[in-house]
Amino acid sequence: DAGVIQSPRHEVTEMGQEVTLRCKPISGHDYLFWYRQTMMRGLELLIYFNNNVPIDDSGMPEDRFSAKMPNASFSTLKIQPSEPRDSAVYFCASSLGDRSNQPQHFGDGTRLSIL
Amino acid sequence: AQSVSQHNHHVILSEAASLELGCNYSYGGTVNLFWYVQYPGQHLQLLLKYFSGDPLVKGIKGFEAEFIKSKFSFNLRKPSVQWSDTAEYFCAVNLKAAGNKLTFGGGTRVLVKP
Repeated sequence: DAGVIQSPRHEVTEMGQEVTLRCKPISGHDYLFWYRQTMMRGLELLIYFNNNVPIDDSGMPEDRFSAKMPNASFSTLKIQPSEPRDSAVYFCASSLGDRSNQPQHFGDGTRLSIL
Repeated sequence: AQSVSQHNHHVILSEAASLELGCNYSYGGTVNLFWYVQYPGQHLQLLLKYFSGDPLVKGIKGFEAEFIKSKFSFNLRKPSVQWSDTAEYFCAVNLKAAGNKLTFGGGTRVLVKP
């Protein structure tokens, strides 16, 4: 079975540029999560969706960050304009069902470097 | 504020040694508990989970964890580690009333020397 698919795997760009990260959740999963992982702050939840609707975006660091889920099989996380401090690994995860005991399945992540 | 604490940031040990990683949480309600592992350069994978029942949970690769409600703890153990257990380990908690949202601990980097 295909897991959570993220693209690109690596992204290097200059500050000020727009960055778009993509995620395809596991088919049938109705929860989707975006995380950021850095050495300093560890693993942080940025935002999560249920049935394509954003439920909690309190972890989004600032207005430069936005996330969308136009349909059940696709989500984007956009940073505009990007800054060097946005450099991190961004993970997408998905899970099934509205019961809290369902584990989250993670993608391979996007390693983002802003120069 | 609700939080998850992993006391050891780094652990170094030799093969065949026993491993125990601490995890404490500060939620007051009923919780679900998870341990995830992240091997170098890879994504997080579920090691084990606790929802209810027997507080001693067995997971993959010989790992187990014990939920002690009175201590708000969910420590991870493995009796004899291998070099391939070198990874970062994350404890995660969610409130049953809060749906699928997880709060992760800061992670513990484990290095097993051959």
